[in-house]
Amino acid sequence: GIQVEQSPPDLILQEGANSTLRCNFSDSVNNLQWFHQNPWGQLINLFYIPSGTKQNGRLSATTVATERYSLLYISSSQTTDSGVYFCAVEGSTGFQKLVFGTGTRLLVSP
Amino acid sequence: SAVISQKPSRDICQRGTSLTIQCQVDSQVTMMFWYRQQPGQSLTLIATANQGSEATYESGFVIDKFPISRPNLTFSTLTVSNMSPEDSSIYLCSVLGGHSRRWETQYFGPGTRLLVL
Repeated sequence: GIQVEQSPPDLILQEGANSTLRCNFSDSVNNLQWFHQNPWGQLINLFYIPSGTKQNGRLSATTVATERYSLLYISSSQTTDSGVYFCAVEGSTGFQKLVFGTGTRLLVSP
Repeated sequence: SAVISQKPSRDICQRGTSLTIQCQVDSQVTMMFWYRQQPGQSLTLIATANQGSEATYESGFVIDKFPISRPNLTFSTLTVSNMSPEDSSIYLCSVLGGHSRRWETQYFGPGTRLLVL
């Protein structure tokens, strides 16, 4: 099945810093989503982005489907950005089943 | 987005017992899924809950261990049977599609934290 790797696995930032999280996938995809899992375990949708670029406030994401990677940019990080960031993909076989990446654990310190 | 609730939010259980987790959505959805997140790990799909028929299980998961029901378009249950400490995880339901809802985006419930002693 499709493999999804994220880097870096862990990231520590000072408040106000910028960061880039990467998601590599091993096959073509129909769907790619970025999620933030907060410290209470709730998964929050950030982006649906199988291709192209989107922005939402301090967050933006870019997916280059032909090269099988996606990037999540966090600018001017805040302590509330702490948590785990997952990308998840649906392979070309479909059925809307998401395969989650390995995750990036982010800690933003004041 | 959908409003999804799960019950219980957390539980501590003895090995050998079973726990049924409920997932309720505020409106009809087309697809419902159950995921497991083991401590410090990513999410793994257990099964797709099919309305009115047997669930579709992923490799490594079987109906005898994780029976699933979906009696209608807003509700599903997952049972973790004959539990062992290795079943300690967060169990999450997710939904996709439905009236006036985008097909591409899955939304997740708050999860059920299970600890098996």
